[in-house]
Amino acid sequence: DAGITQSPRYKITETGRQVTLMCHQTWSHSYMFWYRQDLGHGLRLIYYSAAADITDKGEVPDGYVVSRSKTENFPLTLESATRSQTSVYFCASSRGGSYPKHRELFFGEGSRLTVL
Amino acid sequence: AQSVTQLDSQVPVFEEAPVELRCNYSSSVSVYLFWYVQYPNQGLQLLLKYLSGSTLVKGINGFEAEFNKSQTSFHLRKPSVHISDTAEYFCAVRINQAGTALIFGKGTTLSVSS
Repeated sequence: DAGITQSPRYKITETGRQVTLMCHQTWSHSYMFWYRQDLGHGLRLIYYSAAADITDKGEVPDGYVVSRSKTENFPLTLESATRSQTSVYFCASSRGGSYPKHRELFFGEGSRLTVL
Repeated sequence: AQSVTQLDSQVPVFEEAPVELRCNYSSSVSVYLFWYVQYPNQGLQLLLKYLSGSTLVKGINGFEAEFNKSQTSFHLRKPSVHISDTAEYFCAVRINQAGTALIFGKGTTLSVSS
């Protein structure tokens, strides 16, 4: 069955270390997204991508880097992790395009990151 | 800029009672609105969406929502809740005219007890 998968599901790291969260989707969706979920803040958009090699900033991009060399992958990198980046990270994808019904986002199960 | 306000952070109800989760939005582009549900330790899944047409939208699990343009609201309702409806509910609006990225509200925790 097609889907969107995130890895690792759980990660503990230390302040200052580099961490990469992976996201892979098998639907060939054009759009991919990274959100972080924090108590009291709901979900906030970090970065999104409309296609391979096209990325754009969301609401809270500082401290994060993304790339998209292949349509199916959208890794999120924290170059120097900070405690404030402790969160649950969700990757999502969307078919996109002209039809509104293709705007639905499909979410992965999340990656829980703890920065000590 | 687009924004979403969920007016209640927590809504406790008894089983079989009706429930309404409130959502107000602000948008400078034509509106696409969504409700997502998140069960414990899971990702989000779509409950329902308003893109155009009828202002009363029906979704999965017996939920429905009504788009009210004059009041800029998109409240979620269910006439009779079950224990299994206990979850976090998020209202969302599209971020821009291209319409694919979404801005989410802070969420409403629905707790259903017997």
